[in-house]
Amino acid sequence: AQSVTQLDSQVPVFEEAPVELRCNYSSSVSVYLFWYVQYPNQGLQLLLKYLSGSTLVKSINGFEAEFNKSQTSFHLRKPSVHISDTAEYFCAVSEGRTGANNLFFGTGTRLTVIP
Amino acid sequence: DTAVSQTPKYLVTQMGNDKSIKCEQNLGHDTMYWYKQDSKKFLKIMFSYNNKELIINETVPNRFSPKSPDKAHLNLHINSLELGDSAVYFCASSPGTGQAGELFFGEGSRLTVL
Repeated sequence: AQSVTQLDSQVPVFEEAPVELRCNYSSSVSVYLFWYVQYPNQGLQLLLKYLSGSTLVKSINGFEAEFNKSQTSFHLRKPSVHISDTAEYFCAVSEGRTGANNLFFGTGTRLTVIP
Repeated sequence: DTAVSQTPKYLVTQMGNDKSIKCEQNLGHDTMYWYKQDSKKFLKIMFSYNNKELIINETVPNRFSPKSPDKAHLNLHINSLELGDSAVYFCASSPGTGQAGELFFGEGSRLTVL
């Protein structure tokens, strides 16, 4: 069975500081991994995803995440955050091709960027 | 042009009532979903339809009944509402079942049961 753990429910960080949001998963098969972002009163939007190939994946707004199979992690990082990055971030996993669209979500991490 | 739209955005009702939430997507996707987000922000899949056919039906009370009149629409009907049904319900769509990829979410429908 799959599960996703986001250990930090809230992460406050000052503007222009670096941030890491942690995500660990458990699965007995190969997985696809995702980070979604939810801005206040909005639906979720895909931030980035790992399907195969390079273990380092990047988004267009400066976030990146690295798939680490040995540590079963997919931590999200940004070297310098902006006020506009304040949002809820969800890590998600799906198991291989057949279960590709049955996403299991973590409980979310609220990132608050402090001016 | 909203890709995945849900109505209503807010719904306040009494226990025991029956209510529906509608969802429409104009992306041409084959697969649609309903997710429930509880007060702690935990997201859990409820149902998934592919081309009007039910493919995922997680353990939810049978008071919840999805209906897909066509592949662009997936409605959620809830009978005999209970306090624990209060949550934000998200509709989503994706290109197909065999493709790992992005889900496109609506803005959510916040249901409050009094």
